[in-house]
Amino acid sequence: DIVMTQSPDSLAVSLGERATINCKSSQSVVYSSNNKNYLGWYQQKPGQPPKLLIYWASTRESGVPDRFSGSGSGTDFTLTISSLQAEDVAVYFCHQYHSTPLTFGGGTRVEIK
Amino acid sequence: EVQLVESGGGLVKPGGSLRLSCAAFGFTFSDYSMTWVRQAPGKGLEWVSSISSSSTYIYYADSVKGRFTISRDNAKKSLYLQMNSLRAEDTAVYYCAREKQSGAAVDYWGQGILVTVSS
Repeated sequence: DIVMTQSPDSLAVSLGERATINCKSSQSVVYSSNNKNYLGWYQQKPGQPPKLLIYWASTRESGVPDRFSGSGSGTDFTLTISSLQAEDVAVYFCHQYHSTPLTFGGGTRVEIK
Repeated sequence: EVQLVESGGGLVKPGGSLRLSCAAFGFTFSDYSMTWVRQAPGKGLEWVSSISSSSTYIYYADSVKGRFTISRDNAKKSLYLQMNSLRAEDTAVYYCAREKQSGAAVDYWGQGILVTVSS
């Protein structure tokens, strides 16, 4: 199984400042056949289902603000919120869909400092 | 507008059964692979099962293999999860979700349905 490890577990950032969340997979999530990283990022607010932000590690989902960006390849990935807004308070999960069992990171809670 | 609406959850005793349903709206259901993901209260996300668009490929998490069965009816635009031999650790909100494309990230999620396994 591919284990997804996120860090930190939580972080508090001032409004307008940058938030950075890390995700490390226990194995590479790249398929050599297409050179794509099978890695996504989700945002979940209380009482709501997760919302897809980023897929293929760095492709922003339609409608997602451009302050959200994803980077990384292989086993190390980052989600960056360039300028934190109040509505970004949520838990963020990374997710590998490279192979079954599909797995998620433990989540990172983002709060306002 | 894409919508996924789960139903069939509730309270069940250990060892009991439930069948979850997910009705799909706003997209060509038969073109997409579908997935069930669950979330225990206050916990993270756990993948449960996935099924390809024509039911050719079916996958399960080890934690539910042999107890849960995923299926779909493309004519009814519906996804199902038959859950047998339920355990307390199966207590969770169950989400029906659509894969963006086969083998890709999940892009749309239902609101979720609570399954509680307790005596």
